[in-house]
Amino acid sequence: DAGITQSPRHKVTETGTPVTLRCHQTENHRYMYWYRQDPGHGLRLIHYSYGVKDTDKGEVSDGYSVSRSKTEDFLLTLESATSSQTSVYFCAISELMQSSYNEQFFGPGTRLTVL
Amino acid sequence: KQEVTQIPAALSVPEGENLVLNCSFTDSAIYNLQWFRQDPGKGLTSLLLIQSSQREQTSGRLNASLDKSSGRSTLYIAASQPGDSATYLCAVMAAGNKLTFGGGTRVLVKP
Repeated sequence: DAGITQSPRHKVTETGTPVTLRCHQTENHRYMYWYRQDPGHGLRLIHYSYGVKDTDKGEVSDGYSVSRSKTEDFLLTLESATSSQTSVYFCAISELMQSSYNEQFFGPGTRLTVL
Repeated sequence: KQEVTQIPAALSVPEGENLVLNCSFTDSAIYNLQWFRQDPGKGLTSLLLIQSSQREQTSGRLNASLDKSSGRSTLYIAASQPGDSATYLCAVMAAGNKLTFGGGTRVLVKP
């Protein structure tokens, strides 16, 4: 299994509070991603990173920010959590090898509930 | 905008029967297609990756085909077992190294 951990694994918070989720990898992969998974919507990309301090928006980036100061860590921040951000959040990693995009490997997920 | 569809949404088969899971996508300009398995409450496990230049990929009892021109991929699981019960997701990668996922097919293999 790819070395990807997410913390915390479960979190309950209140509307309006800031929340930071952490993804940590030990594979030295260049690309890191944050997805959310919701019933009826499937998996959707929030933000991704293609290197240290290089990030870009995904499909559902409103209300989220990210930071990547080290290769191994990718942080997702909800500046002011809302109930619509209740979801399961997955981190993923991948690498670009020999001009072919490689597999994405996923972490175990963080279940976030915003009351 | 790329759209990925998986039909049916759910499938139930007796043990030993072969499974056939379908995935279709609207934009054929893809780099690769990836099949995943997800168990309830768990993360995604990568099963197979097919590059856009490939027609199929095999791993044990799993075989995935790709027809880029028609926008289709099929995952075959031979001689299904109860342990194959899970949700199977396909995802396509297009420009920007970003995956677009289908809604998944929930599979139940009955003993």
